[in-house]
Amino acid sequence: AQSVSQHNHHVILSEAASLELGCNYSYGGTVNLFWYVQYPGQHLQLLLKYFSGDPLVKGIKGFEAEFIKSKFSFNLRKPSVQWSDTAEYFCAVKGKAAGNKLTFGGGTRVLVKP
Amino acid sequence: DTGVSQDPRHKITKRGQNVTFRCDPISEHNRLYWYRQTLGQGPEFLTYFQNEAQLEKSRLLSDRFSAERPKGSFSTLEIQRTEQGDSAMYLCASSMSPWTVDNEKLFFGSGTQLSVL
Repeated sequence: AQSVSQHNHHVILSEAASLELGCNYSYGGTVNLFWYVQYPGQHLQLLLKYFSGDPLVKGIKGFEAEFIKSKFSFNLRKPSVQWSDTAEYFCAVKGKAAGNKLTFGGGTRVLVKP
Repeated sequence: DTGVSQDPRHKITKRGQNVTFRCDPISEHNRLYWYRQTLGQGPEFLTYFQNEAQLEKSRLLSDRFSAERPKGSFSTLEIQRTEQGDSAMYLCASSMSPWTVDNEKLFFGSGTQLSVL
């Protein structure tokens, strides 16, 4: 079975600070990895995804994530956050042999203070 | 708005009653998913359709839950004999078949918030 663990439930930081959200997954085979974001009052939307190739993936709004296979990790980063990055962030995994089920982590609420 | 739409947005019901939710996916999407999300948790997979065929169902889904997608377009999720533990946000998502990496993306609706009293 596949599972995802997000280390921080809540993160509070000031504008221009750097952000890193941890994500570890559990799955024995090839995986596809995702970060989804939910802004206040909006629906979940895709931020970025990793399938193969370069383990450093760039997404929308200046976010990037690095897949480290040996650590089963897919951490999300942004060098300088803005107030508009206030949102809940979800890491998700889809194992190649696990059908079409996307398994989400518990989410990290990020509050960026202006 | 041509995104995924869900109806109703909110549903309050008494324990033991049956409820039904509807999801209209993006029109060209042939895959449709149902997820459930409780406070402080991430979305939890319930079931998924490829066109009208229900191809996968979570083992966590009790037999009080049933989902249909009769014509491969909209879908309904019914919960019979609701319990307080069913209180949650029920999310619908749709996608195209993942023939390309670009298609590997779920489009979510705003969800139906169920409260069972």
